Amino acid sequence: EAQVTQNPRYLITVTGKKLTVTCSQNMNHEYMSWYRQDPGLGLRQIYYSMNVEVTDKGDVPEGYKVSRKEKRNFPLILESPSPNQTSLYFCASHEGGGNTEAFFGQGTRLTVV
Amino acid sequence: GQSLEQPSEVTAVEGAIVQINCTYQTSGFYGLSWYQQHDGGAPTFLSYNALDGLEETGRFSSFLSRSDSYGYLLLQELQMKDSASYFCVLNNAGNMLTFGGGTRLMVKP
Repeated sequence: EAQVTQNPRYLITVTGKKLTVTCSQNMNHEYMSWYRQDPGLGLRQIYYSMNVEVTDKGDVPEGYKVSRKEKRNFPLILESPSPNQTSLYFCASHEGGGNTEAFFGQGTRLTVV
Repeated sequence: GQSLEQPSEVTAVEGAIVQINCTYQTSGFYGLSWYQQHDGGAPTFLSYNALDGLEETGRFSSFLSRSDSYGYLLLQELQMKDSASYFCVLNNAGNMLTFGGGTRLMVKP
């Protein structure tokens, strides 16, 4: 079954404590992205990756890091989380080349206190 | 950069037809997509227009006019389960996806 798997689904953490949200896809897609979703603001792209070791900033990259060491994995790292990073996060992958169907993970609801 | 505008909310009754409009600004793109998201869920792909014209998938149709920088999603025979948020999405020339702010559709009995 084609899927994108994110973990954890829910996370409450304290300001400044480093955390990683994992994302894995089993479709051999080249493109992977991270989005955050906040009420009234839709989905905003944080970072995206076009292939292994190729990443670029999206619209709201401040405070986040990513890595793409393997094609299937694209973790999101918050080195020093702050309360304004409390949000719902989605990882997605798609094939690229004009084929635009993106597959999303189940989401990670992060609360930073 | 890229930007998309769509209404924030639309209300319709069960069995009716509703059209959700989307206007966009971009310097180049492959096509326009639509995604559905139920509360608490992940966005799921509905349709994609690479060329001008209408694409039909069951009760849902999507339209694109590149000359007008405009598209729409048409939902027919509305059902209660269609209550959700709908996003228009640009697939940009760099294969990035840019989402509109979303339209919350409420279907009433």
